[in-house]
Parts: sequence; C-alpha cells; structure tokens
Amino acid sequence: DGGITQSPKYLFRKEGQNVTLSCEQNLNHDAMYWYRQDPGQGLRLIYYSQIVNDFQKGDIAEGYSVSREKKESFPLTVTSAQKNPTAFYLCASSIEGAGRRNEQYFGPGTRLTVT
Amino acid sequence: GNSVTQMEGPVTLSEEAFLTINCTYTATGYPSLFWYVQYPGEGLQLLLKATKADDKGSNKGFEATYRKETTSFHLEKGSVQVSDSAVYFCALSGAAGNKLTFGGGTRVLVKP
Repeated sequence: DGGITQSPKYLFRKEGQNVTLSCEQNLNHDAMYWYRQDPGQGLRLIYYSQIVNDFQKGDIAEGYSVSREKKESFPLTVTSAQKNPTAFYLCASSIEGAGRRNEQYFGPGTRLTVT
Repeated sequence: GNSVTQMEGPVTLSEEAFLTINCTYTATGYPSLFWYVQYPGEGLQLLLKATKADDKGSNKGFEATYRKETTSFHLEKGSVQVSDSAVYFCALSGAAGNKLTFGGGTRVLVKP
C-alpha cells in the first residue's frame, strides 16, 4: 500500500536534547512538508521541500532543521533551540506540478513530549 | 497574505442532524480549496476539494461549494453519524505551488 509513515508514534525526550522525527513516503511525490499542531489549534508549516536536496523555511522554522537527501525521506530534527518543542508533528507529501495545486497526503503523526 | 477563517467549535449535534461548518478565505488569484478531517490521535485525511469557482466537492455525504463572490467554502452534511465526530479543517492552496494555509479547525461531536 502506498502512503506516508512516521515513526515513532510517541517520542519522549529530555530538555536540551536534539531529536529526529522520521518521515517516509512511497507515493513517488516530489514535495514533502512538516507541520506542527498544538492542542486545539490548526497546523503551522515548519519546512517544506519541493525537490531532492532543496528545502525552504515555513512559518515557524526556528529551532528546527531538515534534510532531503532522498525523494522518499524528509526527516525533521527538533533542536534544543526550539523553546516549546512539545507538540504533535505531521508530515505530508504532494505531487508537484507547474500551475497545479494538488492536495497533500498526511502521515499519522508523531507526538513529541519534552520534559 | 492568504488566510482561512472557520467557525470555532465545539459543535455538538445529535445523530441525523444537519451539519454546517462555515469557512471563509482571503487569497490573491484563484486558490484551490480543501476540507480535511482529523480523527483523534491521527493525521489529516482529505475529505473533499474544489479547484475553481462554483465547483462542488463531495465525499461520504459531505459537500462544499466554492463561492468566489462570497470567498466561502462551507462544509455541509445532511445527516451526521456518531462516526463523523472529528476535527474538520478548511484549507487553501494559493498561487505558490501546493503550500496549504489552514483554518484553526472545528471540533464536531455527534451524540447518539
């Protein structure tokens, strides 16, 4: 089955530690995205990548880093510089095409708790 | 910039009631519009979409019509079920590729 996988589903870390969240897709999508969701709120874009080896900051990139070395993978690192890292993190992907606005497909999410 | 405003919840309904969730947007050009649904502890699933004015998206009994004159994309369902309890997000994709702008989400609770 094609889809997006995120692992782990729950992640616990101590304050001051960096942590990397995994996102893999086998949909052959060019574009991938990372969002953050806080309780009772909408989604905010952290980073996105439209092609391998290229990525752009979203609205709340501070304290986060990403890489896009392979088309199917887009890991997100939450660094110790992120002041409020506890949140639900969602990865998404979409077909990229000039002049087209395609829907995004989402993974199941990773809930990160930092204490 | 682009923005999406949707009604705040929670919206509490009885089974078989009519559901409407209002969504209005601000965007330049001609955005595509989407409704996503999120069940507890899960990611978002695309519910329906519309890509041009007067298009009607529909899926699983839900409908929404792209109204450019009122910049709206209200979600409706004629008869809700308990299984429709979820958070619903309105979103738009503007001129710059597939980046989505989301509304704040509306929690819907359907009671038997």
